[in-house]
Amino acid sequence: NAGVTQTPKFQVLKTGQSMTLQCAQDMNHEYMSWYRQDPGMGLRLIHYSVGAGITDQGEVPNGYNVSRSTTEDFPLRLLSAAPSQTSVYFCASSYSSVLDFGANVLTFGAGSRLTVL
Amino acid sequence: AQSVTQPDIHITVSEGASLELRCNYSYGATPYLFWYVQSPGQGLQLLLKYFSGDTLVQGIKGFEAEFKRSQSSFNLRKPSVHWSDAAEYFCAVGAFTNFGNEKLTFGTGTRLTIIP
Repeated sequence: NAGVTQTPKFQVLKTGQSMTLQCAQDMNHEYMSWYRQDPGMGLRLIHYSVGAGITDQGEVPNGYNVSRSTTEDFPLRLLSAAPSQTSVYFCASSYSSVLDFGANVLTFGAGSRLTVL
Repeated sequence: AQSVTQPDIHITVSEGASLELRCNYSYGATPYLFWYVQSPGQGLQLLLKYFSGDTLVQGIKGFEAEFKRSQSSFNLRKPSVHWSDAAEYFCAVGAFTNFGNEKLTFGTGTRLTIIP
């Protein structure tokens, strides 16, 4: 099925551990992004990419790394997990900017719930 | 910088009753406005969007929203809610950054509960 696939769905880490949240899309979308969702704070942009080889920081990038070696994949790396990174993480993609006129929409994955102890 | 305020954290509505969810935005130019819905355990799904033109926008699932520039508002409405509408709703405003990239700013969300 076409869409945005995130793995794992759930993960528990200890403080200081590292891990990678995977995100893959099969819709040939150029734009991909990572958000974190915390209670009472809505969604906040961590990093985004407008194409393979191009990434940039969002609103809350500290403690996270990204790379975009292919159009399909956009992994999010936690270098040294901290309890403040306990959150639900969403990957999203779109064909081009969602601010372009037309039917272009942002497609979200189902989320990855991360707990850091 | 743009911002979005959703003043209602939680709303409870009886099934069949009408619904209005409030959204106020702050942005210097004509905003790009969105409403998303998030069902439990799922990602966000676009309900509707406003870029320009007619200020009353129709979306999926029977939802509509009205852009009011004078009030900086973009409230979401539905004439008769169904139990399946129970979810969290997010308003968002979009803008281009100085470098030409898009930026979406989300509100904190309104959780909708439907009672029989």
